[in-house]
Amino acid sequence: GQNIDQPTEMTATEGAIVQINCTYQTSGFNGLFWYQQHAGEAPTFLSYNVLDGLEEKGRFSSFLSRSKGYSYLLLKELQMKDSASYLCAVLDSNYQLIWGAGTKLIIKP
Amino acid sequence: ETGVTQTPRHLVMGMTNKKSLKCEQHLGHNAMYWYKQSAKKPLELMFVYSLEERVENNSVPSRFSPECPNSSHLFLHLHTLQPEDSALYLCASSRDRGTGGAEAFFGQGTRLTVV
Repeated sequence: GQNIDQPTEMTATEGAIVQINCTYQTSGFNGLFWYQQHAGEAPTFLSYNVLDGLEEKGRFSSFLSRSKGYSYLLLKELQMKDSASYLCAVLDSNYQLIWGAGTKLIIKP
Repeated sequence: ETGVTQTPRHLVMGMTNKKSLKCEQHLGHNAMYWYKQSAKKPLELMFVYSLEERVENNSVPSRFSPECPNSSHLFLHLHTLQPEDSALYLCASSRDRGTGGAEAFFGQGTRLTVV
């Protein structure tokens, strides 16, 4: 079966750095997405990786290793507004998005 | 504001009621989706429409009935639901179905409670 694993919850301190991991086992791979979802709001797109390596976008970076079935989202200089759930999703060979259950990130002052 | 609008935001309905959820996008996207989001579970894809044609139905019970009258509007008709159907129902759209890198834009969802 297809599976996306990510930690259920993480806690970090304002101003620090946090890394949210995602491992996947899917039938084929056509890219990996990270979305941010604040409580009660719509998920919003953060990043897309289809090639190995690191993609940097401001305070957020996303890394992909296709051979390891692994990605991480790196958040730097954490702010209170970064408290949210972070969803990892993989586009499989049928171009269907397979979603993880999300990681709830709690930022403490 | 993502460009995808869902109404209502909250809905409480009895198990014998009939109601409809509405989704609207004016982003010029060709694909629209219904997802179910339950607490601490992955997003569950329910239906996919591409160019107004249903292209995917992931074994969803018949008490959920989608309708896509045009490329900008998507409905989810509900009838005789069960309490376990209580969840956040999210609508999304994308430029095309499944094109690599084409991110999905989500609406804010309808929080459905079945009593």
